[in-house]
Amino acid sequence: EVQLLESGGGLVQPGGSLRLSCVASGFTFANYAMSWVRQAPGKGLEWVSTISDSGVNTYYADSVKGRFTISRDNSKNTLYLQMNSLRAEDTAVYYCAKWGGRSGYFDFWGQGTLVTLSS
Amino acid sequence: EIVMTQSPATLSVSPGERATLSCRASQSVSSNLAWYQQKPGQAPRLLIYAASTRATGIPARFSGSGSGTEFTLTISSLQSEDFAVYYCQQYNNWPPLTFGGGTKVEIK
Repeated sequence: EVQLLESGGGLVQPGGSLRLSCVASGFTFANYAMSWVRQAPGKGLEWVSTISDSGVNTYYADSVKGRFTISRDNSKNTLYLQMNSLRAEDTAVYYCAKWGGRSGYFDFWGQGTLVTLSS
Repeated sequence: EIVMTQSPATLSVSPGERATLSCRASQSVSSNLAWYQQKPGQAPRLLIYAASTRATGIPARFSGSGSGTEFTLTISSLQSEDFAVYYCQQYNNWPPLTFGGGTKVEIK
């Protein structure tokens, strides 16, 4: 059974930093690209970032480029999102999502971790 | 960036009736389109990929159609557990991967 378990969310001040983690199980983690998708309170889904299976290639939404860094440790089956220079508009539930094959849709999602920006 | 537009924003349907949800892309995405279902407090769940292929374990009452810029998700006979928000997503041309704004299916 595929499982994705996020952690690391919390309350942080604007300008602060946070690192999210997502531990994967139930599939060969190193064979799949992974993404982070976020959802602001009461809003829709927004793609944040994707990392290739090897970790060599990374992609970002313009809204987070230069502030967020996606990475992975295939030996630990873990995906990360380092978030710096956080802004109020980054408040959201952050989901870790597994790619379906080599396509860009998401066949499994974690339960999400809430990041709240507040001064 | 490909903009995905879903309509209607809210759909009121009685249990047992058919629901038809629309998704339009600002440019062709071929058949590289997925549909997700999200219930309150839960993560999204993949329903359909490649425009018309049901994901594993998805009931046959869910069907997807379309290609290019116009897509439809049909729920043939709504069950109580189907009342949720539905999102479409294109993965033909990225970054960015883009989602529609969602359609909420509510009980009439």
